[in-house]
Amino acid sequence: IAGITQAPTSQILAAGRRMTLRCTQDMRHNAMYWYRQDLGLGLRLIHYSNTAGTTGKGEVPDGYSVSRANTDDFPLTLASAVPSQTSVYFCASSDSAGGGYNEQFFGPGTRLTVL
Amino acid sequence: AQSVTQPDIHITVSEGASLELRCNYSYGATPYLFWYVQSPGQGLQLLLKYFSGDTLVQGIKGFEAEFKRSQSSFNLRKPSVHWSDAAEYFCAVGAKEYGNKLVFGAGTILRVKS
Repeated sequence: IAGITQAPTSQILAAGRRMTLRCTQDMRHNAMYWYRQDLGLGLRLIHYSNTAGTTGKGEVPDGYSVSRANTDDFPLTLASAVPSQTSVYFCASSDSAGGGYNEQFFGPGTRLTVL
Repeated sequence: AQSVTQPDIHITVSEGASLELRCNYSYGATPYLFWYVQSPGQGLQLLLKYFSGDTLVQGIKGFEAEFKRSQSSFNLRKPSVHWSDAAEYFCAVGAKEYGNKLVFGAGTILRVKS
């Protein structure tokens, strides 16, 4: 069982380019999340999805979009990258079936540099 | 809104010494509390969690944390630190009222000296 996979592992991107970070989980978790990690700020929630077909905005959603066409995949898109989006991006998932609260499992991260 | 404060950005302890990492949260009702650890270049791994019941919770790798409602704290402790514990530690809080979302603290970097 792989858990959560993210691709690419790292990427250097020119400003203004479009980029999609991929996230796939094989745990059949209904909820998925995208965070960015910046030094001194911890992890901040970008977007989330409580179930396939629904998405919501987190704390720092501007400049990012997500989709949730199925249970397993939750891609994050930067439509026009800017240097302030240089960060490490983590995807996570949790099983929230039945309204319970469960831990989030994290992927290995994608290190993105926007020049 | 929920918030989490980890007052110590860096902590250095000697191998074999005890450790306490501080975490304070702001939330009106009973929160769900978590400690995660991140080794360099890795994702986050759950150390322990508090949902309800006994306020002293045991986690993996010999860590424990105590929920103190009166102090709005959830400090992480370990009686004897090993060099392999060097990592960054994150406290996080969630609540049913906010769906499944978590709010993270800024993290504490632990250095272990031999």
